[in-house]
Amino acid sequence: GAVVSQHPSWVICKSGTSVKIECRSLDFQATTMFWYRQFPKQSLMLMATSNEGSKATYEQGVEKDKFLINHASLTLSTLTVTSAHPEDSSFYICSARDAGEGTDTQYFGPGTRLTVL
Amino acid sequence: EDKVVQSPLSLVVHEGDTVTLNCSYEVTNFRSLLWYKQEKKAPTFLFMLTSSGIEKKSGRLSSILDKKELFSILNITATQTGDSAVYLCATDAGNNRKLIWGLGTSLAVNP
Repeated sequence: GAVVSQHPSWVICKSGTSVKIECRSLDFQATTMFWYRQFPKQSLMLMATSNEGSKATYEQGVEKDKFLINHASLTLSTLTVTSAHPEDSSFYICSARDAGEGTDTQYFGPGTRLTVL
Repeated sequence: EDKVVQSPLSLVVHEGDTVTLNCSYEVTNFRSLLWYKQEKKAPTFLFMLTSSGIEKKSGRLSSILDKKELFSILNITATQTGDSAVYLCATDAGNNRKLIWGLGTSLAVNP
């Protein structure tokens, strides 16, 4: 199956700093990537839809100035958590849509666990 | 409002049992229904269903979609402790192609 990587896997940072998370589709091109957040024992919550070459579409209640998304190429999207605070601590997961012929499935990266002290 | 409902929310069985997980949906512009398995990390893809009545199988797991009654089931036969996970159902609907997620079914398989 298609492979999606995320970097870093785990990050601990001080309050007020910014953290960048990368999401890469390794063996397919992804015109659309999705960023999710998941708190313990809760379901996935979609934060935004990232489209290559255009602005991301944010879900209601997600601050676009705080969660900056850049999708500069067909294989890379980045999420930057700016001025992180302890309440931003969560598991951030990206998925990439493989729209190749006969597929059209979303594959998830392994996730990034962010802890803000 | 689009929604996906999974049942049961939680299930505990013994090794060797067969389980059936349910997923019903109400979405506009339905394209496909997807099943994922989530253990400690991110979800891993299991099945994508687009057509009614066609069973998809992978080892002990199988799934089928009923587009008339708007539901899908995921079957796991001869369960093993390694099947313990949260099973997530999602539908792909709408022009922006975002997934609508159910809350998941937490399955625990005891030895």
